[in-house]
Formats: sequence, C-alpha cells, structure tokens
Amino acid sequence: QVQLLESGPGLVKPSETLSLTCAVSGGSITSGNWWSWVRQSPDKGLEWIGDMLQSGSSYYNPSLKSRVTISVDKSKNQFSLNLTSVTAADTAVYYCARQGKLRSWFDPWGQGTLVTVSS
Amino acid sequence: ETVLTQSPATLSLSPGERATLSCRASQNVNRYLAWYQQKPGQAPRLLIYDASNRATGIPARFSGSGSGTDFTLTISSLEAEDFAVYYCQQRGAFGQGTRLEIK
Repeated sequence: QVQLLESGPGLVKPSETLSLTCAVSGGSITSGNWWSWVRQSPDKGLEWIGDMLQSGSSYYNPSLKSRVTISVDKSKNQFSLNLTSVTAADTAVYYCARQGKLRSWFDPWGQGTLVTVSS
Repeated sequence: ETVLTQSPATLSLSPGERATLSCRASQNVNRYLAWYQQKPGQAPRLLIYDASNRATGIPARFSGSGSGTDFTLTISSLEAEDFAVYYCQQRGAFGQGTRLEIK
C-alpha cells in the first residue's frame, strides 16, 4: 500500500524558508490523487496547508497562501513544501498525506516531522 | 470557510462502554465529513469517510452517522486501544478534537 515519508531540516531560522519533501512509495504520484501538507501545533491544532495534483492544479489555505508553494517531482515520485518568511508561529509537526480525487479525506499520512523555528 | 465544532472536549468512559462524539459544521457539508483517531506521537489515522464509511481495516465497533451540519462518531464498546484523540475534518477544516480518556 502507499506509504509516505517526510524529510527535511528540523530547525529553521526566523525569516528563512522551510523546505520539506515527502517521498511516496507503493504507488505513483501520477495516480490522479491529490497530495497534501497538514501541520499540527498545540496552539492551532491540525491545520491544512495545501494540496497539489501532479498536473499542477493546487489549493492553498488562504491564511498561508502568500507564503506557501507545493510542488510535485514525478521523476522522483515525491512532492515538496516550501514555506517562506517563517516565524516561531510556524513551529509544528508537519505531515504529508494523500487525498482522493474529491479531496474529501486524508489517507494515508506520513509519520510527521517536527520543525522548530528558532535562531 | 467551514468551521467544525466538536463536543465534548473530553469524554471519560470505561472499557466496554459506548462512546458518542459529536461534530457540528457551520454550514451544510452534505456527507463530506471524515473522522480520525490520533494517539500520542502518531499521525492521525482515517477511521470514517463520507460520514459513515469505515476506512480499510477499521473495526466494526466504529461507526459514523449524520449529514448536513450534524455528525456523530460512535464506538459501540470501548477497548483499551480506543482511548485517544478524535478529530473530524471537512475539506480544509479540522475540528479541535475530543479527547477520549479512561475513567
């Protein structure tokens, strides 16, 4: 079955760019599913960041849209998250996840990776 | 933007009891609602999608119901591994969670 695994730096300095990658195994990133990022912090709970289809179609959380880019790399069967101008408020566990064609639910999820924003 | 409100915030029950968790949407979402279980240090796990469909591998003691703005997750007879936090979700919105704890 499809498995997802996040990777990237665990510590990012304020004002810099947070970059994470999600490797997809057991399935193809061109399968027609949406590929998503969700984060979780004690303050905000679970927060949807955005979704992307391998064709390039995307949806982003309006509160983050100006700072977020999600991209898909078909050759590596992975997708990525870039979040610019980070602050301490962006400290969270970041999850990648798959959604079906109707974008109605997230399954499966990656194990999550903690990103701390601090100097 | 849809806002999801879960109740209660915490539910204290004993193994073998029935658990009823509620999720209310701020607008009509038809049946497009999902439920997740999350244990400490783990990612959320999909339990129910489209209001009442159990995800693959989810035990029959978990059931979902509702449509429109009011939804319910029921666990018919609690087992030790069911004590966790439960979230509802609709598109880009998540509820704040219900913590199910052992009484």
